[in-house]
Formats: sequence, C-alpha cells, structure tokens
Amino acid sequence: GQNIDQPTEMTATEGAIVQINCTYQTSGFNGLFWYQQHAGEAPTFLSYNVLDGLEEKGRFSSFLSRSKGYSYLLLKELQMKDSASYLCAPGNGNTGFQKLVFGTGTRLLVSP
Amino acid sequence: DVKVTQSSRYLVKRTGEKVFLECVQDMDHENMFWYRQDPGLGLRLIYFSYDVKMKEKGDIPEGYSVSREKKERFSLILESASTNQTSMYLCASNTRGAGEQYFGPGTRLTVT
Repeated sequence: GQNIDQPTEMTATEGAIVQINCTYQTSGFNGLFWYQQHAGEAPTFLSYNVLDGLEEKGRFSSFLSRSKGYSYLLLKELQMKDSASYLCAPGNGNTGFQKLVFGTGTRLLVSP
Repeated sequence: DVKVTQSSRYLVKRTGEKVFLECVQDMDHENMFWYRQDPGLGLRLIYFSYDVKMKEKGDIPEGYSVSREKKERFSLILESASTNQTSMYLCASNTRGAGEQYFGPGTRLTVT
C-alpha cells in the first residue's frame, strides 16, 4: 500500500523559517516531489529529490532520506505570497514512467 | 513555457448526463494524467496515458473513461454523471522518463 503523512496546517510569521515534514511508504519508490498550490489554482512544481540529501533552490530547500521514508521542505525568509498548500508526492514506477501519489497537503498560513 | 489547457474552468451538469473534459498540452509530452482533488483527500489519479491510444487505470477509475486519439489531447469522460463526481478535475502532462508534471488550471465540475 501507499501512505503519505504530512501536517494538515502550519502557521508562521513573515521573514521566519518553516519546515514542512513528510513521511511516506510507497512501493517502487523512485523520487520525491514537492508542489505548491495556491487556493483555487493548479499545483506548481517546487523540487525533486532522487538521492539522499539536501537540494537548495533559492529560498526553498528540500531534503530526502530514502532509508527513513522521510522528506522535508524548508522555506526561508517567508513572504506573504508563500501562503499556500504544499503537497508531498513520492513517485513510483518503472524506468521510463513515473506515477505520483500525492499527500493531502500542508496548508501554510503566513502572517505579517 | 509548457502550457496545459483545459476546456472549461467551471462546469455544471445534471445527474445522468454524459460529460466530456478536454485537456490539451503543447509540449509534445508522451504522458498525460487526469486527477481529481477533493478536500481532505488530496489529488487522486483517475487515469493516465503514456502514448496515443494507450491508457491505464489509476487509483479511482470507476465511473470514468478516457480517450487519447492525438498526442496533445487527453479527454476524460463521465458516462453518466453522479453527484459524487462533483470535484475539481486536474489534467497534467510530462515527458517520458521525466518526473515533473505540468498541471492545467483545473475544471471545477458540479453535478446536480
């Protein structure tokens, strides 16, 4: 079976740092994605981790531990526009094709 | 920029009607996906296609069918709409072997 666990909601202050955790159990794991989704809009790609470790991209970083089935998304210097849902999505499948299984998302509220 | 478009942003249909949701991508992607998104349940995969005329069931295919006659177009069909199919429907695409999926803006379908 497949199971993804991430917090339902988090709050933080503008300028702060927030870490959104995700644990997963999925067969045939071949990488993990994070997507951002603003209310009423489509998800947009943030990051992709295949190997263990930290991937940094501007204010956003993502970490993966394959052995622990664990990932986190780190958002620095929070801005009001970062208020959105963040979706953890482990991928699985054979070479040449990858299906994503999405978590229910973490709704982040950034306050002034 | 990759562009995925969906035929309607909002749609209202009656129970029992046949409903067509259209998705078009302009990046020559091999893979296309249909998801539905419901509060508390996240994004769930309905069907996907990895080539013209090829289709595979996702996690919740019951009550749906799909058609892919051309590479750029992937249609989702509700043969006889029911109220429990009221949802946000999202189409996505990506290239063979590549992970990141690009999403369309979504169609909010209401079945009364």
